[in-house]
Amino acid sequence: EIVLTQSPDTLSLSPGERVTLSCRASQYVTSTYLAWYQQKPGQPPRLLIYAASSRATGIPDRFSGSGSGTDFTLTISRLEPEDFAVYYCQQYRNSLWTFGQGTKVEIK
Amino acid sequence: DVQLLESGGDLVQPGGSLRLSCSASGFIFSNYFMNWVRQAPGKGLEWVSSIGGSSDNIYYADSVKGRFTSSRDNSKNTLYLQMNSLRAEDTAVYYCAKIGGSYRSFDSWGQGTLVTVSS
Repeated sequence: EIVLTQSPDTLSLSPGERVTLSCRASQYVTSTYLAWYQQKPGQPPRLLIYAASSRATGIPDRFSGSGSGTDFTLTISRLEPEDFAVYYCQQYRNSLWTFGQGTKVEIK
Repeated sequence: DVQLLESGGDLVQPGGSLRLSCSASGFIFSNYFMNWVRQAPGKGLEWVSSIGGSSDNIYYADSVKGRFTSSRDNSKNTLYLQMNSLRAEDTAVYYCAKIGGSYRSFDSWGQGTLVTVSS
């Protein structure tokens, strides 16, 4: 099983700041099968990025994804008030899906 | 618009059974892999099971293998999760999620249904 480790666990930031979230895999992950999600309290997750760098439908362009192999990054170019949430990375390989433990982006 | 609506969550005793349902609309249900993903209170996301469009391929997380069974009725656009031998650690919100094509990411989610396993 591929383990995804996200860092940091929590980020305290102010609106307008740039955010970089990390997702590191214990084994090689095909970029096609790496995704990022946003989850707010009491809501289901929402797909932000699929195939490591493609934005899902309706996702603002301040969200971007990059990376390959075992290291992937989600960047929010300029934090908006609605972006304070928990972010998860997810991978698929050999008929198994795994998620990272999540990074909480909170208001400073 | 894609809509997924879970139901069936309840309080159940350890060792008990429960069946969850997920009613789907807004897309051709039989064309897509469907999944169950759960989230324990205050914890992260855990994939539980995935089932192919024609029920030909069904996959499970090790944590539920042998206890949970996924199935679907394409004539009713409904996904099911039969949960047996429930344990306290199965307590979670269970989400139904649709796979978005070949990228194996979950592009649509239901609101979830809460399963509580406790005596």
